[in-house]
Amino acid sequence: KAGVTQTPRYLIKTRGQQVTLSCSPISGHRSVSWYQQTPGQGLQFLFEYFSETQRNKGNFPGRFSGRQFSNSRSEMNVSTLELGDSALYLCASGPSDQFSTEAFFGQGTRLTVV
Amino acid sequence: DQQVKQNSPSLSVQEGRISILNCDYTNSMFDYFLWYKKYPAEGPTFLISISSIKDKNEDGRFTVFLNKSAKHLSLHIVPSQPGDSAVYFCAAKQSYGQNFVFGPGTRLSVLP
Repeated sequence: KAGVTQTPRYLIKTRGQQVTLSCSPISGHRSVSWYQQTPGQGLQFLFEYFSETQRNKGNFPGRFSGRQFSNSRSEMNVSTLELGDSALYLCASGPSDQFSTEAFFGQGTRLTVV
Repeated sequence: DQQVKQNSPSLSVQEGRISILNCDYTNSMFDYFLWYKKYPAEGPTFLISISSIKDKNEDGRFTVFLNKSAKHLSLHIVPSQPGDSAVYFCAAKQSYGQNFVFGPGTRLSVLP
């Protein structure tokens, strides 16, 4: 079974631009969540999508948004990039049950904002 | 306000000995706890989990203990192997959804 796939793996953007990251979950998983990892703040929850609906959201500004498609693939968008948005962005998928347990992570997208 | 804490940033252990990684949490609504291992430039890898209705869960060399009254959990690795050297994250969640709260991580070094 293929794991969680994130594209691209690396990205360099300029301040003020916007960026879209993509995540393909494990086949059959309907929950997709996004996390930001930085040296200072650690792993922080951004949002979770389940069956195309956002069902949980972390404490990030509105510049961070996401969506999920009918095939469970998800995209995350960051608009008006700031230097502080440089981070490893991780996507995780989980089984269909809303009370499911562990999440399985992709390798992440390393975003650098210059 | 850090809801999940791992107070030891790093830990060194001799190969073959026991590694004990600790985690404390403050939110009494958490009812599911997990440990992840992470290598540089990779996503976290799930290791083991425990529900709040249990106080111990074992999987091979890995055992997680939960003390709900103390809001404390620990991961025991026996015996430790050099390949276990990585950053270990403790994570917690409430039953609904997949919004995990992660601790800051503990870097484990297993010395040959």
